[in-house]
Amino acid sequence: DAGVIQSPRHEVTEMGQEVTLRCKPISGHNSLFWYRQTMMRGLELLIYFNNNVPIDDSGMPEDRFSAKMPNASFSTLKIQPSEPRDSAVYFCASSYVGLRDSNQPQHFGDGTRLSIL
Amino acid sequence: KNQVEQSPQSLIILEGKNCTLQCNYTVSPFSNLRWYKQDTGRGPVSLTIMTFSENTKSNGRYTATLDADTKQSSLHITASQLSDSASYICVVKGQGGYNKLIFGAGTRLAVHP
Repeated sequence: DAGVIQSPRHEVTEMGQEVTLRCKPISGHNSLFWYRQTMMRGLELLIYFNNNVPIDDSGMPEDRFSAKMPNASFSTLKIQPSEPRDSAVYFCASSYVGLRDSNQPQHFGDGTRLSIL
Repeated sequence: KNQVEQSPQSLIILEGKNCTLQCNYTVSPFSNLRWYKQDTGRGPVSLTIMTFSENTKSNGRYTATLDADTKQSSLHITASQLSDSASYICVVKGQGGYNKLIFGAGTRLAVHP
């Protein structure tokens, strides 16, 4: 079975450029999460979607970050304009969250390693 | 404040030896506790999920324990292999709301031949 698919795996770009990260969740999952991982802060939740609707975006650092989920099989995380401090590994994860079942694991993609020069 | 703390920060063991990683949390109320393994350059992979009523769960050579009274968990690795070299992350979910998880900083394990 295909897991969570993220693209690109690596992105190097100059400060000020727009960056778009992409995610295809596991089919049948109704929840999607974007995380950022750095050595200093570990894994941080950026935004959570349930049934394609953003539920919690309190982790989005600032207005330069935006995320969309136009359908159940695709999501994007966009940074515009990018800054060197945005350099990190960005993970997408998906899971199934039911009304009576909150014990399903989140399945992570292999991440996008982003470097802003 | 809801927190998850892991120890040690890093650990080196020889192949074939056992080891135990610790996790203390202050998340309350508590729903479940998860252990994830993260290989270098890869995303975290779930090893175990334990609810309040479970105090031990195994996944092959990995055994997790949970004491919900003292808010402590451990991950025991038996007969370590080189492929066990990874970061191990303890993650706690509180009750209510959606599936928001609180992550520990992880323990970096290196298994040497």
